[in-house]
Amino acid sequence: EVQLVESGGGLVQPGGSLRLSCAASGFTFSSYWMSWVRQAPGKGLEWVANINQGGSTKYYLDSVKGRFTISRDNAKNSLYLQMNSLRADDTAVYYCVRPPDTSIVNWFDPWGQGTLVTVSS
Amino acid sequence: EIVLTQSPATLSLSSGERATLSCRASQSVNSYLAWYQQKPGQAPRLLIYDASNRATGIPARFSGSGSGTDFTLTISSLEPEDFAVYYCQQRRSWPLTFGGGTKVEIK
Repeated sequence: EVQLVESGGGLVQPGGSLRLSCAASGFTFSSYWMSWVRQAPGKGLEWVANINQGGSTKYYLDSVKGRFTISRDNAKNSLYLQMNSLRADDTAVYYCVRPPDTSIVNWFDPWGQGTLVTVSS
Repeated sequence: EIVLTQSPATLSLSSGERATLSCRASQSVNSYLAWYQQKPGQAPRLLIYDASNRATGIPARFSGSGSGTDFTLTISSLEPEDFAVYYCQQRRSWPLTFGGGTKVEIK
């Protein structure tokens, strides 16, 4: 069974940092692009970042560029999101997501259960 | 950035009725459009990709159509489990963007 399990969310002050992790299982992690998508409380979905299979190609939402870094460790089947200089508008549930197939990029399924990041003083 | 506008914001229907949801793109996305379903407290689920292809395990009552800038998600006969929020998403260009969602609620 494919599983994506996020961790690392929590309450952080504005300007602070947080590192999210996503543990993947049930599939060949190193064969897939991976992504982070977020959802502010009561709001819609917002794509945050993508990383290719080897970690050499990354794309970011403009509003997080320079503050967030997506990375992966294929030996540990893990995806990460390092978030620095956090702002109140970064408050959201962050989902780890995978494409439905290795030949399909930028459609998202399955999704993890999400981890809540709250930026507040 | 490609803006996706979904309408209506809320659709009030009864079980067994047909639901028609719209997604309009600010510029052409060709057929690079997907639809997701999200129930309260759950992560989204992919329903349709490339405008009209059903994802694995998705019932045939869900269908997608359109190309360019105008897309439609149709639920032919609503089941009780279909009352949820639906989002469209494009992958034609960066940044990947989602529509604001349509809530399908029980009338």
